[in-house]
Amino acid sequence: KAGVTQTPRYLIKTRGQQVTLSCSPISGHRSVSWYQQTPGQGLQFLFEYFSETQRNKGNFPGRFSGRQFSNSRSEMNVSTLELGDSALYLCASSLVVWGQGAHEQFFGPGTRLTVL
Amino acid sequence: GESVGLHLPTLSVQEGDNSIINCAYSNSASDYFIWYKQESGKGPQFIIDIRSNMDKRQGQRVTVLLNKTVKHLSLQIAATQPGDSAVYFCAERGSARQLTFGSGTQLTVLP
Repeated sequence: KAGVTQTPRYLIKTRGQQVTLSCSPISGHRSVSWYQQTPGQGLQFLFEYFSETQRNKGNFPGRFSGRQFSNSRSEMNVSTLELGDSALYLCASSLVVWGQGAHEQFFGPGTRLTVL
Repeated sequence: GESVGLHLPTLSVQEGDNSIINCAYSNSASDYFIWYKQESGKGPQFIIDIRSNMDKRQGQRVTVLLNKTVKHLSLQIAATQPGDSAVYFCAERGSARQLTFGSGTQLTVLP
């Protein structure tokens, strides 16, 4: 069974630009969560989608948004990029909505975003 | 998932010894805890989890201990192997049903 895939793996943008990252969950998984990982802040929860609906949201500004498609694939978008948005963006999938019950999340390898 | 953190706590152990990685969590309302392992270039990998109504859970070569009185979580790895070298994170799920991760510990296994 294929794991969580994320594209692209690496991305370089300049301040003010916007970026879209893509995540394909494990087949059959309907929940997708996004995380930001930086040296200073560690791993932080961005949002979670289930059945094309955002079910939970972390403490990030509105420049960070996401969506989920009917095939459970998800995208996240960051607009008006800032230097501080440079990070590893991780996607994780699980069978059911993460906050309900104890279900394992499977992480992808991440997209390394560098903002210049 | 490349290496994280410029100032991670580090733990070095000899191959074959047991490792103990500690984590203090912040939210007394957290009901679920997970340990993840992150190797260079990869995303975090689930190791073991424990619910707040338990104080110990064992897996293959790993044991998680939960002390809710002092809000402390530990991961014990038996007979540590070179492949165990990685960054280890604890995570807690609080009332907002979100995972909050610890800063991580870099485990290095010495030959």
